[in-house]
Amino acid sequence: SQTIHQWPATLVQPVGSPLSLECTVEGTSNPNLYWYRQAAGRGLQLLFYSVGIGQISSEVPQNLSASRPQDRQFILSSKKLLLSDSGFYLCAWSGVLNYGYTFGSGTRLTVV
Amino acid sequence: AQTVTQSQPEMSVQEAETVTLSCTYDTSENNYYLFWYKQPPSRQMILVIRQEAYKQQNATENRFSVNFQKAAKSFSLKISDSQLGDTAMYFCAFPYGNKLVFGAGTILRVKS
Repeated sequence: SQTIHQWPATLVQPVGSPLSLECTVEGTSNPNLYWYRQAAGRGLQLLFYSVGIGQISSEVPQNLSASRPQDRQFILSSKKLLLSDSGFYLCAWSGVLNYGYTFGSGTRLTVV
Repeated sequence: AQTVTQSQPEMSVQEAETVTLSCTYDTSENNYYLFWYKQPPSRQMILVIRQEAYKQQNATENRFSVNFQKAAKSFSLKISDSQLGDTAMYFCAFPYGNKLVFGAGTILRVKS
């Protein structure tokens, strides 16, 4: 069966520090991968998605970047965090999109 | 572009009663799928139910069912015998290209 792992679960980082959030999928090959951000009590904002290794689509200009160095690995990064980068970050994967997404458990990022 | 609209930001229901969450969407496609996701306080996103547009029969999963009106482009979620564990934010979603488009969400509070 397919599983998705996302870590860390919680992160507190100072302003100006770098960021690396990792997401990996097991049990499938060539998944579509997604990074979303969510403010408390609000909706989902798509940040990046990838349909293959090295292929990244950016949805919103951000202080963030994404990379997909391996088929089932998706990384969200920042060189210098801003206070506005605080939020809840969700990774998701899909195969055939008709079956929807499976989400990771999320990372709560607080920039202080 | 495809849009998904959830017009009820917040709703509340008494335990054991029935509640309906509304969702409308805009598309020029004929065959597609629609989804409802649940995000409880843990913030884990869980797929609740999936509807295939070419099927006239409304999807049902235990206490959760949909009222799908294709001509009206309406996709509402009915929760019967509401339980405290149904307290969550609910999102409807629609595929567009390689990604899902999500509504803004409805916060549902089940009261004892």
